[in-house]
Amino acid sequence: AQSVTQLDSQVPVFEEAPVELRCNYSSSVSVYLFWYVQYPNQGLQLLLKYLSGSTLVKGINGFEAEFNKSQTSFHLRKPSVHISDTAEYFCAVTPQTGANNLFFGTGTRLTVIP
Amino acid sequence: GAGVSQSPRYKVAKRGQDVALRCDPISGHVSLFWYQQALGQGPEFLTYFQNEAQLDKSGLPSDRFFAERPEGSVSTLKIQRTQQEDSAVYLCASSSQRVGNTEAFFGQGTRLTVV
Repeated sequence: AQSVTQLDSQVPVFEEAPVELRCNYSSSVSVYLFWYVQYPNQGLQLLLKYLSGSTLVKGINGFEAEFNKSQTSFHLRKPSVHISDTAEYFCAVTPQTGANNLFFGTGTRLTVIP
Repeated sequence: GAGVSQSPRYKVAKRGQDVALRCDPISGHVSLFWYQQALGQGPEFLTYFQNEAQLDKSGLPSDRFFAERPEGSVSTLKIQRTQQEDSAVYLCASSSQRVGNTEAFFGQGTRLTVV
């Protein structure tokens, strides 16, 4: 079974400051990892994903994430946030074999303060 | 179409009513997923289709929930005798992959409110 934990339900940060959104997962099998962003009244948009290879992955809108297998973490970072980054962010995993569906965390609400 | 389309965007149902939610996946995508997102929560898996075959319905919360994809394209999620706990956003996603789902595209969702 898979589970995803996002410990921070809300993260306020000032504009142009750096931010890190934390994600830890648990799985008995190898997984692929994802970060999605959800703007108000919108669906989910893929920010980035880790499939294999370099553990540092870069995504859209200046976001990046680092896969740490020993700590079972996949934290999302951005060096300088903009007002437009205000949204809900979801970490998700899917097993590399077997089930095809995504398992999501409960989300982190990022609020960028002007 | 250019993306996954869901309709209606908003639905208000009286408790006990039946509802039907529609999903138009990206053309040619073989895999289709339904998720339920309660307020303040992450999406939770409901069911999965590969073409017209429903391969996994383990996430459906009760026998009041039923999904179909008869021709392998458009899918409908039906909820019978709606209850207040069914209030949520229902998200549909599609993918061109049959296994190892790494490219899922989501629709904007249908917000269901049961009063």
